[in-house]
Amino acid sequence: GIQVEQSPPDLILQEGANSTLRCNFSDSVNNLQWFHQNPWGQLINLFYIPSGTKQNGRLSATTVATERYSLLYISSSQTTDSGVYFCAVGGSGGGADGLTFGKGTHLIIQP
Amino acid sequence: DTEVTQTPKHLVMGMTNKKSLKCEQHMGHRAMYWYKQKAKKPPELMFVYSYEKLSINESVPSRFSPECPNSSLLNLHLHALQPEDSALYLCASSPGLNTGELFFGEGSRLTVL
Repeated sequence: GIQVEQSPPDLILQEGANSTLRCNFSDSVNNLQWFHQNPWGQLINLFYIPSGTKQNGRLSATTVATERYSLLYISSSQTTDSGVYFCAVGGSGGGADGLTFGKGTHLIIQP
Repeated sequence: DTEVTQTPKHLVMGMTNKKSLKCEQHMGHRAMYWYKQKAKKPPELMFVYSYEKLSINESVPSRFSPECPNSSLLNLHLHALQPEDSALYLCASSPGLNTGELFFGEGSRLTVL
């Protein structure tokens, strides 16, 4: 199946800093999503972005499907941004295999 | 309304108990999913229903039994579980099978004693 690698695995930043999270995938995809998992376990949708660029407030994302990677940018970090960020992809090979998750980036924003 | 509702939020059960997890969505989605997530790990797919038919069973043990009574509801029946089955169980839905944006419920945190 498709492989998903996220980097860095852990990131500790001061409030106000900017960060870039990366997601590499091993095959062509027709679905790519970024999620933020809060401390209570809920997966919050950030972006549905199989290709192109999107922005939502302090967050933006870019997927370059031809080069098999996606980036999530967080600007002016706040402590509430802490948590685990997951990239999840669905292959375009026609298989019914749901979304495959990367291992996540654990982000800690310190005040 | 982009909402998937799961009940119960917390469940503690013994190894001989029978319990069920429930999931509901009213977004008109035709695909629904069960994922299992252990601590500090990503979610892993267990079951997928498309148009109320089971599409994928990722070799999950038979002590987990899914059910899709209609296009809005998804259940996960639990029987004779093991302590290692303790995890966060997440329900999700999407417009079609592996198509469109996937939305997750808040999860049911299961502890097996």
